[in-house]
Amino acid sequence: EAGVAQSPRYKIIEKRQSVAFWCNPISGHATLYWYQQILGQGPKLLIQFQNNGVVDDSQLPKDRFSAERLKGVDSTLKIQPAKLEDSAVYLCASSSGTSPYEQYFGPGTRLTVT
Amino acid sequence: DAKTTQPPSMDCAEGRAANLPCNHSTISGNEYVYWYRQIHSQGPQYIIHGLKNNETNEMASLIITEDRKSSTLILPHATLRDTAVYYCIVRARDFGNEKLTFGTGTRLTIIP
Repeated sequence: EAGVAQSPRYKIIEKRQSVAFWCNPISGHATLYWYQQILGQGPKLLIQFQNNGVVDDSQLPKDRFSAERLKGVDSTLKIQPAKLEDSAVYLCASSSGTSPYEQYFGPGTRLTVT
Repeated sequence: DAKTTQPPSMDCAEGRAANLPCNHSTISGNEYVYWYRQIHSQGPQYIIHGLKNNETNEMASLIITEDRKSSTLILPHATLRDTAVYYCIVRARDFGNEKLTFGTGTRLTIIP
C-alpha cells in the first residue's frame, strides 16, 4: 500500500514570505495530522483532522498558520508570513479509525526561513 | 498523559540485542506505552505498543514491568538500519483525541 506522500521535500524562503505544504494520506485513513519538528526536538502536533473537520488545533499559531483538508482526503498547510523560527521539518501523518495510535508518517518537508 | 524519561543516547554492537529503557513512574491504569522510531531524514515509524502484558511483533519486543512504572523495548538482533531516535510515549486511549506527544527520545547507534 502506498504511504503518506508530501511535497515539496525541501523549501527555502525569506522571512515574511508565504509557503504551502501538501499532504496525501494513506487511502482510507480518516484522520490526518500535521506535526512540526524543530531540529533536536521530537515532533509537535499542530493540527488534527477527522475527515474534513478539525479535531485539535490548539497548538497551531493561527495568526500565521492555516490548514485545510478539502473533501476529507488531501490537506495543505500554509504559513503566511513566515518567521525565522518556523524553520523546521513539517510532517504529515494519517491513521485509521481502528488503530488511531498507529500513525503513519510521511517523509516531511524541510523548511528553511532565511 | 504520563511523563516519560529515556536516556539521551545508547550504543549497541551489530547483531546484539538492543535494550532501550523507558521510565514512566506516573503512568495511570488506562495508559498505554507506545514506541516509535525516527531514522535520519524520515518521519517517525510506529513500532509496538502495550498495556500491561509483554508484546512481540516482527520488529521488536516490549517488556513492561509488573508495576508498569517502566518498560524496555528490545530489538533482538540489531542491524545498522536500526540506528535511529527511539521515542517512548505514554497515553490513554481517547478516541477523537489521538495526539501523540513526543519527547526527545533515545538516539540509538548501532556499531559495526
